[in-house]
Amino acid sequence: ETGVTQTPRHLVMGMTNKKSLKCEQHLGHNAMYWYKQSAKKPLELMFVYSLEERVENNSVPSRFSPECPNSSHLFLHLHTLQPEDSALYLCASSQDLDPQQETQYFGPGTRLLVL
Amino acid sequence: EDQVTQSPEALRLQEGESSSLNCSYTVSGLRGLFWYRQDPGKGPEFLFTLYSAGEEKEKERLKATLTKKESFLHITAPKPEDSATYLCAVQAGLHGDNNAGNMLTFGGGTRLMVKP
Repeated sequence: ETGVTQTPRHLVMGMTNKKSLKCEQHLGHNAMYWYKQSAKKPLELMFVYSLEERVENNSVPSRFSPECPNSSHLFLHLHTLQPEDSALYLCASSQDLDPQQETQYFGPGTRLLVL
Repeated sequence: EDQVTQSPEALRLQEGESSSLNCSYTVSGLRGLFWYRQDPGKGPEFLFTLYSAGEEKEKERLKATLTKKESFLHITAPKPEDSATYLCAVQAGLHGDNNAGNMLTFGGGTRLMVKP
């Protein structure tokens, strides 16, 4: 498998559930990202990891908890979500955070519906 | 605060009818401007990166250009398979700024529909 993969592709959960989104990149990159894409709104950066260390957290509610066990895998743990959290969650990776190596490549996304 | 505005929000073209999409930006020092294509239900697909005013890049029927205030994505003789949402994003930072987060600020996108 090549590129950036995400599982599951679709997820329906209740507000009291706990679930996790998984992202895996097969590009040998060192940086990984989580984005949220809501209808009619621009992509919003949520978290950035470089070499498994979190370097950016864009004021995201604590009901979203990221985890990066190694440079190839990224998780987003979800608990007690709200209906307004329903969106397409996109994972991306880039070679590094340094200039000229920063093009981000995206996965297909997980479509999340919170009931 | 960095801002990116794309226009129009939606564009309908006949096959073969050339046009341009606009991305206007306000940033504190542009490090790079990125164009992506996004098909429904899929993640954005990287198209181009532009780094300085005057730079141009081409790929098949697409050409991206950059000035100090905006970027254009020119589509020449489009085909129905070019129908998608085109996203523009900027990475900003002053010279010498580490910008360790590699933050991209995205515009709202232009939804392009090409009719046969």
